[in-house]
Amino acid sequence: NAGVTQTPKFQVLKTGQSMTLQCAQDMNHEYMSWYRQDPGMGLRLIHYSVGAGITDQGEVPNGYNVSRSTTEDFPLRLLSAAPSQTSVYFCASSYPPGQGGGYTFGSGTRLTVV
Amino acid sequence: EDQVTQSPEALRLQEGESSSLNCSYTVSGLRGLFWYRQDPGKGPEFLFTLYSAGEEKEKERLKATLTKKESFLHITAPKPEDSATYLCAVQAYSGGYQKVTFGTGTKLQVIP
Repeated sequence: NAGVTQTPKFQVLKTGQSMTLQCAQDMNHEYMSWYRQDPGMGLRLIHYSVGAGITDQGEVPNGYNVSRSTTEDFPLRLLSAAPSQTSVYFCASSYPPGQGGGYTFGSGTRLTVV
Repeated sequence: EDQVTQSPEALRLQEGESSSLNCSYTVSGLRGLFWYRQDPGKGPEFLFTLYSAGEEKEKERLKATLTKKESFLHITAPKPEDSATYLCAVQAYSGGYQKVTFGTGTKLQVIP
C-alpha cells in the first residue's frame, strides 16, 4: 500500500523559477489537500479538492495553483517562486467528512527558495 | 475564526512517567477533533477522531478524550518510541467545506 506519494522530497529553487510538486494517492480518496508547515505556525491549508475537476482555495493560496484531472493526482504549481515560499509542503487525502478517519499525509517536500 | 491552542509546547518525560497533552479549541460547529503524531522529517500520522463531548478513544498507551472546549491526549507509562510531536486539529463547517485547523503541536521527548 503506497498511500500518498509526494515527489520530489527536496528541492532548491531560485527566486522567480516555477515548479510542480507532485502528489498521488492510491486509496480512492475523494478529498485531497495541500498544506505548508512552517515553524511555530502549524499546518496551513493552501488549496483543496473535493473530487476530480473540483478545486478551491484554502487559507494561503497566493502564488500557488492546482488542478485535479483524476481522482489519484493533485499537483501543486508554484508560479514564480519567492523566498517566503520556503517551507515543507504536505499533500493529504481523506474520505469525505463523517466517513471515518482523518487525513493520510505524504512524507513531504522540503522546498528552499534562494 | 477557528482557533486551536496546544500546551505545553514541549514536554520531557522519564520512561514510565504518565502525563497529558492539552488541546483547547474555539470553533463554530465542531464536526470532529483529530490527533496526529509526527516524527521528524515525516508527515503526520493519524491517531484518533473524536466527534462529541464525552467520547474517548484508546490506542496502546494513548487515550484521547473530548469536552466542549478541549481535548486531552493521555500518555500512560510512555516509552522512548513515543517521542514525537503530537498535533491536534479541529474540523468545522465553513462555506461549503469542512475546514480543518491545526494546532502547532506538543513536542514530546521520553527519556530512557
